[in-house]
Amino acid sequence: GAGVSQTPSNKVTEKGKYVELRCDPISGHTALYWYRQSLGQGPEFLIYFQGTGAADDSGLPNDRFFAVRPEGSVSTLKIQRTERGDSAVYLCASSPRTSGINEQFFGPGTRLTVL
Amino acid sequence: DQQVKQNSPSLSVQEGRISILNCDYTNSMFDYFLWYKKYPAEGPTFLISISSIKDKNEDGRFTVFLNKSAKHLSLHIVPSQPGDSAVYFCAASVLGGKLIFGQGTELSVKP
Repeated sequence: GAGVSQTPSNKVTEKGKYVELRCDPISGHTALYWYRQSLGQGPEFLIYFQGTGAADDSGLPNDRFFAVRPEGSVSTLKIQRTERGDSAVYLCASSPRTSGINEQFFGPGTRLTVL
Repeated sequence: DQQVKQNSPSLSVQEGRISILNCDYTNSMFDYFLWYKKYPAEGPTFLISISSIKDKNEDGRFTVFLNKSAKHLSLHIVPSQPGDSAVYFCAASVLGGKLIFGQGTELSVKP
């Protein structure tokens, strides 16, 4: 079946602009996660949805970052007033469960470059 | 603070030999540990996991060992194959929520 998909695969924007990154999880997966990966580092947690609600948003770096999942499926990560430090690969993952072994299935990521 | 650490950024192994990737953690509340493999321009792919109540889990060529007293886990790949060349991430979770990743170890398996 289809895996997690993310669009766009690459996004180049200018400092101060607004961007939206989209994630389509695996059908039926109730949990959805956003991570950010900088060069030479492991993925860093941003936010996690259980259904439509954000169960944990402790990883969002500041109030310029916001994410939604209005119907419990597709999610959008929104970044306002982008800064050069926001440049990274943004990864989305989904999981069929939130207890026990939390095997998360990752998408290919969106590479964001802020000029 | 870095709760999950992979202190070796890279490892080079001959084909057919054993690869051992190491990971240390600080939070004793972690209940599951997972290993992911990542190729360039792709997302991480789940490889193998272990519950904190176990000390070993094996799946084909891959075995994960957990030493809770030392807060250390390792991934053994035997025998190593050139297709295993990738970046390997150790990750830990608490109560099925977010994953906390180490920095990764780049494995290179030479023919």
